[in-house]
Amino acid sequence: GENVEQHPSTLSVQEGDSAVIKCTYSDSASNYFPWYKQELGKGPQLIIDIRSNVGEKKDQRIAVTLNKTAKHFSLHITETQPEDSAVYFCAARGGADGLTFGKGTHLIIQP
Amino acid sequence: KAGVTQTPRYLIKTRGQQVTLSCSPISGHRSVSWYQQTPGQGLQFLFEYFSETQRNKGNFPGRFSGRQFSNSRSEMNVSTLELGDSALYLCASSSLSPQTDNEQFFGPGTRLTVL
Repeated sequence: GENVEQHPSTLSVQEGDSAVIKCTYSDSASNYFPWYKQELGKGPQLIIDIRSNVGEKKDQRIAVTLNKTAKHFSLHITETQPEDSAVYFCAARGGADGLTFGKGTHLIIQP
Repeated sequence: KAGVTQTPRYLIKTRGQQVTLSCSPISGHRSVSWYQQTPGQGLQFLFEYFSETQRNKGNFPGRFSGRQFSNSRSEMNVSTLELGDSALYLCASSSLSPQTDNEQFFGPGTRLTVL
């Protein structure tokens, strides 16, 4: 089955700086790669996703890149703000399988 | 549009008991997936239902089961509870439309504690 590795497990950045979280996946059949943000006491919130026929997608301060050859994808957050502090999860899905998640990255925005 | 709702939000049970959790998907969504979230194992896929049929199943023992009703609401059941079943159980709904067939939207979860 699919295996998703996520790094780093904790990331601390100064407010206003950029943050990058990286994931790798194992199953070349995976074709959908979402990113979720989870705040304390809440369920994961879909923030951006990318499909295998696209190399990059951007939504305001958030962007995701996908390298299918290398089987890795990354989340980029620019101009970080205090409200960006949360746990971020990457995931991968192929066909009718459920989402396979990475272990999560605890993003801390230092004021 | 209301989001995914899950009931109850918190539950405490003892070993050996069984539990039923409920999920109401976003209106119009016909697919419901269940996930277990623990500090050690992270988020793990349990199963997915679509049109009252189990579409896919993760690697969990048979004590974990689910069902979906004609109105797309779903329940999951865990029998003979073990301490290791303590977790946050998350439900996610999806429309499975051609444009958004993979997008899953999560509810707040049910926090199950097994004593």
